[in-house]
Amino acid sequence: DTAVSQTPKYLVTQMGNDKSIKCEQNLGHDTMYWYKQDSKKFLKIMFSYNNKELIINETVPNRFSPKSPDKAHLNLHINSLELGDSAVYFCASSQVETSRNEQFFGPGTRLTVL
Amino acid sequence: GNSVTQMEGPVTLSEEAFLTINCTYTATGYPSLFWYVQYPGEGLQLLLKATKADDKGSNKGFEATYRKETTSFHLEKGSVQVSDSAVYFCALSDYGGSNYKLTFGKGTLLTVNP
Repeated sequence: DTAVSQTPKYLVTQMGNDKSIKCEQNLGHDTMYWYKQDSKKFLKIMFSYNNKELIINETVPNRFSPKSPDKAHLNLHINSLELGDSAVYFCASSQVETSRNEQFFGPGTRLTVL
Repeated sequence: GNSVTQMEGPVTLSEEAFLTINCTYTATGYPSLFWYVQYPGEGLQLLLKATKADDKGSNKGFEATYRKETTSFHLEKGSVQVSDSAVYFCALSDYGGSNYKLTFGKGTLLTVNP
């Protein structure tokens, strides 16, 4: 059973387009996250979100916006895509209070902007 | 703020060699410590964790001990296999005032040759 799933696995698109990446977790966790991994494998937190609060990394451009239709989903919308947005994006989830923030990661979405 | 420093890679070893990947941290609170592993083309998986000083996390032959006095959490394995080839991330989790935050090191690429 997949704990954290993301779609699509690969996304190739033109500069200037708007795209979305979906994330779902079936672990019953209360907090979800989006990370960006660059070509050097460096992981950068973009957002964390629970039903109380959205915390945004201040370095993330406002072209990126998370949307949570319910507790099990946190989708990532990206407007006006740029070449520098090419990266692998990972969704993660955790049950923060009980697990000291042990996070479970999805398989990643490789975004390529042409 | 919190930070994690791990040894720069890449690390290349022969099968059955001893592995050490150094990790030190800086934290304002009393963090939990993690090692995550990313196999080629996959998402991150939790390898092991420790939540308090002198705890030893272990899994799949890997071990790491939470050393508060040296603020370290070095990863070791006595005999590596080709299948251990992956990127290894050291991480800490600490409460940041409004939420737990996971801070990652930059990752260490390990290649094990037959």
